Amino acid sequence: KQEVTQIPAALSVPEGENLVLNCSFTDSAIYNLQWFRQDPGKGLTSLLLIQSSQREQTSGRLNASLDKSSGRSTLYIAASQPGDSATYLCAVKRGETSGSRLTFGEGTQLTVNP
Amino acid sequence: GAGVSQTPSNKVTEKGKYVELRCDPISGHTALYWYRQSLGQGPEFLIYFQGTGAADDSGLPNDRFFAVRPEGSVSTLKIQRTERGDSAVYLCASSLRGGSGANVLTFGAGSRLTVL
Repeated sequence: KQEVTQIPAALSVPEGENLVLNCSFTDSAIYNLQWFRQDPGKGLTSLLLIQSSQREQTSGRLNASLDKSSGRSTLYIAASQPGDSATYLCAVKRGETSGSRLTFGEGTQLTVNP
Repeated sequence: GAGVSQTPSNKVTEKGKYVELRCDPISGHTALYWYRQSLGQGPEFLIYFQGTGAADDSGLPNDRFFAVRPEGSVSTLKIQRTERGDSAVYLCASSLRGGSGANVLTFGAGSRLTVL
């Protein structure tokens, strides 16, 4: 059974800092990995999707890397802003023949202080 | 619609009651998913529809949970004889097509269920 772990569970940083969120998964046979953002009382917003054949994806101040063989992904946020405060979730999609479910980690709650 | 719509946004019920949660996906999206998120946890998969049929219902926790999508659009998650442990946020998501492929899911805001 795939298990996804995110470290740290919570993180508080001053505005402007660069930061890294970590995600690890136990079964390296994944199809892709996604990073989501969740704001209180709202649904999940997809930030970045990395296919299993890719090493990283970038969008603005966000960069996600994937090391499939070691079962790890990182989300790098540059020059953090108070508006980045949210819960960040990573999720892996199982192999192509196993349906389309996502397995989520428990999330990292990020607070960026002005 | 422009996004995935879920109703009600909040539902408080008593133990043992029957509850229905509705999801209206993005128009034209054939794939629809239900997830459940308990406090402090990540979402857990419940069921996936491709069109009208449940392609994967292996995440439903027990036979008190049932979901339908009779016309391939709106879906209803039904919970019978609710228990306090059913309290969670129930998230619905849709994508243009399901199965394999890099389709990004669009999630709704969720329905928060509280069972007293």
